[in-house]
Amino acid sequence: EAQVTQNPRYLITVTGKKLTVTCSQNMNHEYMSWYRQDPGLGLRQIYYSMNVEVTDKGDVPEGYKVSRKEKRNFPLILESPSPNQTSLYFCASLQTNTGELFFGEGSRLTVL
Amino acid sequence: AQSVAQPEDQVNVAEGNPLTVKCTYSVSGNPYLFWYVQYPNRGLQFLLKYITGDNLVKGSYGFEAEFNKSQTSFHLKKPSALVSDSALYFCAVRDLDDYKLSFGAGTTVTVRA
Repeated sequence: EAQVTQNPRYLITVTGKKLTVTCSQNMNHEYMSWYRQDPGLGLRQIYYSMNVEVTDKGDVPEGYKVSRKEKRNFPLILESPSPNQTSLYFCASLQTNTGELFFGEGSRLTVL
Repeated sequence: AQSVAQPEDQVNVAEGNPLTVKCTYSVSGNPYLFWYVQYPNRGLQFLLKYITGDNLVKGSYGFEAEFNKSQTSFHLKKPSALVSDSALYFCAVRDLDDYKLSFGAGTTVTVRA
């Protein structure tokens, strides 16, 4: 089954404690992206990756890092989380021939 | 820059009545338009898309959307709404020459029995 898998689904942490949200896709997609969803703001792109070792900033990259060492994995790293990063995060991969984005189930992060 | 506007935060309809969720967009080149739906505690699911061709596109679960180039709109419609259609709906746009997808703020649809 084609899917995008994120972990953890839920996380409560404290300010400054580094964390990583993993994302893996099994569709051999080259393009992957991270979004955060906040009420009234829709989904905003954090970072994206066009292929292995190719990453770029989206609209709201501050406070985040990503890496793309393998095609299937695209982890999101919060080096020093702050309360304003409390949000719902989605990883997605793009099927380029149809233009359809496939989303993970989301990771709800709370930073105290 | 590209952008999407969903002018209604909420849409409430009775089951069996027509449902319309509005979306307008702005993009520099030719638009590539999408509708996604999000059920509680779930990720976004693809409903339908428009690239070129017929202005009326049909998608999953009986939904359809009408592309109107002169009004830069891509409204989502369903002739007869179901309670199970209650969800959060997102319109999205990208330029055909770019992979970046820009989302609207979302519209919460509530269908009452």
